Amino acid sequence: ILNVEQSPQSLHVQEGDSTNFTCSFPSSNFYALHWYRWETAKSPEALFVMTLNGDEKKKGRISATLNTKEGYSYLYIKGSQPEDSATYLCAFINQGGKLIFGQGTELSVKP
Amino acid sequence: SAVISQKPSRDICQRGTSLTIQCQVDSQVTMMFWYRQQPGQSLTLIATANQGSEATYESGFVIDKFPISRPNLTFSTLTVSNMSPEDSSIYLCSVETGQGSSTNYGYTFGSGTRLTVV
Repeated sequence: ILNVEQSPQSLHVQEGDSTNFTCSFPSSNFYALHWYRWETAKSPEALFVMTLNGDEKKKGRISATLNTKEGYSYLYIKGSQPEDSATYLCAFINQGGKLIFGQGTELSVKP
Repeated sequence: SAVISQKPSRDICQRGTSLTIQCQVDSQVTMMFWYRQQPGQSLTLIATANQGSEATYESGFVIDKFPISRPNLTFSTLTVSNMSPEDSSIYLCSVETGQGSSTNYGYTFGSGTRLTVV
């Protein structure tokens, strides 16, 4: 059984705070890791696709790191804004190409 | 990247009835994926729909409960049959953002169908 765990389940921060959350995944049979942002009533949107151990990717105020040997990825948001409020999903892809999602971290940013 | 139109966006259905969800893609794609997210749970793959062949179902999902059609390379439907309250979920369709290069670009999703069964 493959488990992808995300923590925390939910997070409430003030505008301007920086925050980070974790995705843990099996360290064996790794192929890729995806991060998605899912706003209510919208489609999940791909943020990052990460494949190499040590990868660091950045998109504006959001960045992510990857450690495939120990099986974790961090997502960081610098200076959170209300428009960052969403559920952030990570998805592990194994060598067979199967996408396995975590339960998500629900972020709420208060103005 | 592909754009997916999914409908209905939400519905409230009586138990024992069936609901068909449609996804239209603005480009031809080989595979379409159907997911379900039950309350408090992860997005879970139901099946992969290929044009011209039967869908491939994941463990725990069967064709009689979730029949899928894939009449052409831009369209697919998922039917939730003989519904019970446990079927209350968000249902999503998805395609690879770049054909055969999901590892580079990820996946594109429809906006979801929020189903409540009463």
